[in-house]
Amino acid sequence: AQKVTQAQTEISVVEKEDVTLDCVYETRDTTYYLFWYKQPPSGELVFLIRRNSFDEQNEISGRYSWNFQKSTSSFNFTITASQVVDSAVYFCALKDSNYQLIWGAGTKLIIKP
Amino acid sequence: GAVVSQHPSWVICKSGTSVKIECRSLDFQATTMFWYRQFPKQSLMLMATSNEGSKATYEQGVEKDKFLINHASLTLSTLTVTSAHPEDSSFYICSANGGTGTSRTQYFGPGTRLLVL
Repeated sequence: AQKVTQAQTEISVVEKEDVTLDCVYETRDTTYYLFWYKQPPSGELVFLIRRNSFDEQNEISGRYSWNFQKSTSSFNFTITASQVVDSAVYFCALKDSNYQLIWGAGTKLIIKP
Repeated sequence: GAVVSQHPSWVICKSGTSVKIECRSLDFQATTMFWYRQFPKQSLMLMATSNEGSKATYEQGVEKDKFLINHASLTLSTLTVTSAHPEDSSFYICSANGGTGTSRTQYFGPGTRLLVL
């Protein structure tokens, strides 16, 4: 069965610290897509990244970086030098052969000034 | 690009009334749109998949007669909560597939907060 696990319910760090959000997935499909979305207090979901199952290259975008490892079925997200504006709930999601998004439970990230 | 709008952003209504929520893809055509519901501190729950020109596909446990979905054009899908009750109070979010093929990314609207008194 397809499943996405975000074991960290809530993380709290002080501004400028680095923080990693974990995402572990399960799927039987060989072709699939992984996503990260950010949901700030306003509620609007913001697309951050999409990664397909054949591309294990890590990606860096500014202070954000993603580590995709098929061997451990993980797609972790790191924020470097965190800022208060990074405070939000972050969701990891998997798109399988049914083309539906399977969502993790989300990780609430609190960045303290 | 890939902007999805929702209207209204907030609605408060009396129990028993019907509420219509609109979801529009502003700069792309979306043959498929999705409707989600999110309760406080929970993840998104898919309610239904809306396909342009055909009936929506509802997830198990979602009453199709209560949550009416109409996807009349490639840029507009509507969700009508009929005879709303306090337990229908929630955050409703729509999304639309941008791009082509299986790699399409879902882009989300800003959501509609519904409060039924």
